[in-house]
This record gives sequence, C-alpha cells and structure tokens, in this order.
Amino acid sequence: EAGVTQFPSHSVIEKGQTVTLRCDPISGHDNLYWYRRVMGKEIKFLLHFVKESKQDESGMPNNRFLAERTGGTYSTLKVQPAELEDSGVYFCASSSHGEQFFGPGTRLTVL
Amino acid sequence: EDQVTQSPEALRLQEGESSSLNCSYTVSGLRGLFWYRQDPGKGPEFLFTLYSAGEEKEKERLKATLTKKESFLHITAPKPEDSATYLCAVRINAGGTSYGKLTFGQGTILTVHP
Repeated sequence: EAGVTQFPSHSVIEKGQTVTLRCDPISGHDNLYWYRRVMGKEIKFLLHFVKESKQDESGMPNNRFLAERTGGTYSTLKVQPAELEDSGVYFCASSSHGEQFFGPGTRLTVL
Repeated sequence: EDQVTQSPEALRLQEGESSSLNCSYTVSGLRGLFWYRQDPGKGPEFLFTLYSAGEEKEKERLKATLTKKESFLHITAPKPEDSATYLCAVRINAGGTSYGKLTFGQGTILTVHP
C-alpha cells in the first residue's frame, strides 16, 4: 500500500512569491491533515479535512495560507505571498480512523 | 491550554543500555496518546496509540505505557538503528470529532552508540 506522498520535497522561493504544496493521502483515507514544523519548534497543526470539507482550520496562521481538497482526494496548500517566517517543513498526514500516517514533508525556504 | 512536554531533550545511550523517555501532558478530554519515530529528513513514523491509563503496548525493543498524567517509552537493549527523534502527541475530544488534530511535544533525540 502506498503511503502519503508530498510534492515537492524542497522549495526555495523569495519573499513575496507564491508556492503551492501538494499532498496525496493514502487511498481511502477521508481525513487529511496539514502540519508545520518551524526551526527549533514542535510540529504544529494547521488544518484538517474530512473528505473535501474543512473540519478544523484553527491552526492556519493567517489568510496568506489557502488549503483545498477538491474531490476529497489530494490536497494543496498555497502560500501567497510568502514571508520569511513561513519557512519550515510542512507535513501532510492522513487517517481512516485513529492513527495518522505522515508524509515525508516539504521543506520550504523563503529568502 | 493543552501542553505536551517531553524529557529529556536528548539522550545518549550505549548499545544494550536500557532507558526510558518521558511524555507528560496537561489536557482535558484525552482521546489518545501517540508515539512516533522520526528519522532525519523523513516524516514521523507511527509507533503506538494508547487510550487509557494502565494501557501498555510493545513492539520489538519498545514498550509504551500510559498514566493519567504521563506516558513512558521504554527502550530495552537498544541498538544503533534505534537512533532517531521520538515524538509524543495527544489528541483531545474537540469539535465533535474523534479524529481531530494532534498536539505534539518537542521530541527526544535518541542516539545509541555501538
């Protein structure tokens, strides 16, 4: 069974540019989550989809972040415009029941 | 505010030297405590879920236990390949869903020397 995949693995952009991260969950998993780890801090929750609906977006830092999950399959997380403090590793996870399975992450560097 | 604290921040062991990692939590309405292992450059890899005080789970050299205030990850006779960051996370019952967000601790970096 294929695990959670994320693309790209790394992204380096300049302040003010736009970046879109993609997550493909494990097939059949209705729950999809985005998390972020910034340097020296713990992994923090961003938002949770159930199928194509946003169940909880309490962790989204501001309106520069937009997440979508069209059709309840893959999800995208767009940052527009990117700021220096957005640098970090963005993880996606999916679950069908309790356990959340994580992807390898996208390392975002904003210069 | 929900809090998860892991200790120690880093732990260096000799191969075969057993030890324990601690995860203490302050949450209301715990709906699961999770242990993950993370290798450099990779995402967290699921190890265990514990749901109620007194519960224990084992996998190879690892054993996780849970009380009302903390969880321990016991490592018996570790090997160098057990070197990784071990993460603890909790889920609370919020928003009418049992499958909600995880709140993570900072992790314990374990290094096992041959």
